[in-house]
Amino acid sequence: DTEVTQTPKHLVMGMTNKKSLKCEQHMGHRAMYWYKQKAKKPPELMFVYSYEKLSINESVPSRFSPECPNSSLLNLHLHALQPEDSALYLCASSHPFGEQFFGPGTRLTVL
Amino acid sequence: DAKTTQPNSMESNEEEPVHLPCNHSTISGTDYIHWYRQLPSQGPEYVIHGLTSNVNNRMASLAIAEDRKSSTLILHRATLRDAAVYYCILRDVERLGGSQGNLIFGKGTKLSVKP
Repeated sequence: DTEVTQTPKHLVMGMTNKKSLKCEQHMGHRAMYWYKQKAKKPPELMFVYSYEKLSINESVPSRFSPECPNSSLLNLHLHALQPEDSALYLCASSHPFGEQFFGPGTRLTVL
Repeated sequence: DAKTTQPNSMESNEEEPVHLPCNHSTISGTDYIHWYRQLPSQGPEYVIHGLTSNVNNRMASLAIAEDRKSSTLILHRATLRDAAVYYCILRDVERLGGSQGNLIFGKGTKLSVKP
């Protein structure tokens, strides 16, 4: 299984909502990542988890809260988002510092 | 931060070779050169990477200049499925614990393939 799955595929939320994005992999990777990609722009790294511990937070606002409950799962909790947070959110996983495998992303729209 | 420069877009004909250039004049000795591509409506996917020597795999070849200040990704026979944005990324193995050891995507080259 060389797949990274992400749910949901699409999400529409209001600025007062709380929602979560989910990412799962069963490749035994111990590094997992969240990226944000705006339309026609390259992906931007948000968070890196290494062995279930947060190792990098690229100055992401606190309305984005990552969580890694186990080595296969990565969540991104969303609260009080702004319309400018609308984007494609990509999850990836890898062996530490190895080739990264990306999921198809969650298309988020904040109204 | 080491940076890369790529053309914004390129066109190719189907079944012809494609050479995608990347300039990285400030590359350091510990930077690996990585290529990823992103097909429409998909997440990026790994293509190839190298340090000093040319590399081949089932997807592509990577030619690295002797001074390492530039590299070229070679698709030997382009297919319609190769239409994507191709990203050339430097990854510093001595800074793997920090941001520079991770993937920092530039603007990439949008490759169009004509039938």
